[in-house]
Amino acid sequence: EAGVVQSPRYKIIEKKQPVAFWCNPISGHNTLYWYRQNLGQGPELLIRYENEEAVDDSQLPKDRFSAERLKGVDSTLKIQPAELGDSAVYLCASSLDKNIQYFGAGTRLSVL
Amino acid sequence: DAKTTQPPSMDCAEGRAANLPCNHSTISGNEYVYWYRQIHSQGPQYIIHGLKNNETNEMASLIITEDRKSSTLILPHATLRDTAVYYCIVRRSYNTDKLIFGTGTRLQVFP
Repeated sequence: EAGVVQSPRYKIIEKKQPVAFWCNPISGHNTLYWYRQNLGQGPELLIRYENEEAVDDSQLPKDRFSAERLKGVDSTLKIQPAELGDSAVYLCASSLDKNIQYFGAGTRLSVL
Repeated sequence: DAKTTQPPSMDCAEGRAANLPCNHSTISGNEYVYWYRQIHSQGPQYIIHGLKNNETNEMASLIITEDRKSSTLILPHATLRDTAVYYCIVRRSYNTDKLIFGTGTRLQVFP
């Protein structure tokens, strides 16, 4: 069974440019999460979806970050415009029963 | 959710048991202990979780003290592929859903 798929694996952009990350969760997993992981730190939750509904986005910086999960399957996380401090690994995870979360390999973003 | 304290790093010889400690002295009665690990350049991977009783699966064993204020993750026969950052997480219940990661323990398994 395929795991959580994220793309791209790496992205380098200049500050003020937009960027988008894509996540395909494990088939049948209704719950989807986006995390951000700064260097040397553990992941921090940005947003959680139940199907297509965002049920916890309290940690999402809404001035520049947006996310969507159309049709309750794939999800996209966008940053516009990117800032230097947004350099991090962006992780997507999915869960069937909200007990165990399965993570993708992440997208490493470098903002120059 | 209760806070956890883990040593920043540990070493273990290949083939030996790796015992990773975690302190969670403020844990509440309805909070679970979860362990995840993150191998370099990969996302976190679930290992095991428990409430009160000791737990064992194909990856590891989880020993929780009787007062539940600390726990130990045991990898019985560590291999080089077990080199990773191990996160101990206390979670109110799986239905609340949120995983709050600390900085974890970096386990280095050496030949």
